[in-house]
Amino acid sequence: SQQGEEDPQALSIQEGENATMNCSYKTSINNLQWYRQNSGRGLVHLILIRSNEREKHSGRLRVTLDTSKKSSSLLITASRAADTASYFCATTGGGNKLTFGTGTQLKVEL
Amino acid sequence: SAVISQKPSRDICQRGTSLTIQCQVDSQVTMMFWYRQQPGQSLTLIATANQGSEATYESGFVIDKFPISRPNLTFSTLTVSNMSPEDSSIYLCSVVSSGSAKTQYFGPGTRLLVL
Repeated sequence: SQQGEEDPQALSIQEGENATMNCSYKTSINNLQWYRQNSGRGLVHLILIRSNEREKHSGRLRVTLDTSKKSSSLLITASRAADTASYFCATTGGGNKLTFGTGTQLKVEL
Repeated sequence: SAVISQKPSRDICQRGTSLTIQCQVDSQVTMMFWYRQQPGQSLTLIATANQGSEATYESGFVIDKFPISRPNLTFSTLTVSNMSPEDSSIYLCSVVSSGSAKTQYFGPGTRLLVL
């Protein structure tokens, strides 16, 4: 069964606005990774945050991790139409196997 | 980051047939995985491809249905056997980076439609 739940399932915003996606998980983790998937193609790795980190930035992306609440958020600032995609969080526990969340479909409209 | 290629990128197959998907990495990697993404769903791990030994399958996946080969540290194949329409999915291979961060990178996927 999927460990992670993401919300919202779908998000529609205007270009230039910020998009926030949330991910919750159930068990202890070593790290959490966020991925983007365009139109059912391969996954593009966005960012990895370790369990001992609370916040990480990469360009227009900001990821937070709250291990006490078992949750993470991905913020995309100043969104663009090209950001339209599905976004997934994935966690690893003791090994390297990824457990994926349910995903958020983001649509950025012009 | 690792550069991963998959062949074929997509295929349409008849039920009862088998398809072998190839995954090639541009560098030697220890950990390689195969995932399935059913239509409109998230990704589910099928198995860990072990070099020199039998793959390790997740619950719900068996070797007879999804035989995997891993002849070396840069290449693996996944076969989808005796296909049915329920096998229509995107199949993706992934590798774990050699660095301490253990970032996992994915291939472009193979989109399979079974008629």
